[in-house]
Amino acid sequence: GAGVSQSPSNKVTEKGKDVELRCDPISGHTALYWYRQSLGQGLEFLIYFQGNSAPDKSGLPSDRFSAERTGGSVSTLTIQRTQQEDSAVYLCASSLAARFDQPQHFGDGTRLSIL
Amino acid sequence: AQSVTQLGSHVSVSEGALVLLRCNYSSSVPPYLFWYVQYPNQGLQLLLKYTSAATLVKGINGFEAEFKKSETSFHLTKPSAHMSDAAEYFCAVSDSKGYALNFGKGTSLLVTP
Repeated sequence: GAGVSQSPSNKVTEKGKDVELRCDPISGHTALYWYRQSLGQGLEFLIYFQGNSAPDKSGLPSDRFSAERTGGSVSTLTIQRTQQEDSAVYLCASSLAARFDQPQHFGDGTRLSIL
Repeated sequence: AQSVTQLGSHVSVSEGALVLLRCNYSSSVPPYLFWYVQYPNQGLQLLLKYTSAATLVKGINGFEAEFKKSETSFHLTKPSAHMSDAAEYFCAVSDSKGYALNFGKGTSLLVTP
């Protein structure tokens, strides 16, 4: 079956612009996660959605970052007024449920470059 | 807080040699541990997971890892390296909330002919 799909695969934008990154999880997976991978910080957890529950936004680095998940499926991560330090690979993952033992399945990521 | 430390940011082995990638964990509760592999320009692929059922865990592509509580370690091994094993490897632990993963900094594996 299809894996986690992310789009676009690459995004180049100017500092100060807003960007939207999309994630389509594996069908039937109720839990969805966003991570950021950067050279300096490694892999960092950003936000987590479980079904229709309120998301855990504790990893979002600033109020310029937001995310939503519509209909319990597709998710969009939005970065407003982008800064150069936002340049990174943004990875989305999904799992059957949010449990300790459930593995997370990752998409190929969106490589974001801020000029 | 749950965390992992990967020893060695770069490891080089000859084709056919033993692969050993080191991971030590810190956890206030019994940990759930994972190894992921990342090939260039791709996402992370799960190699194996430890969820307390057995201390020796076998994964895909011939990899295995042994959970050692006394050493707080979860090292990844493969008896014979293939060229196709060259990639970045990440050790991770579930955080206390039970869903977010805390990753190590990663180990880049180079396999030489």
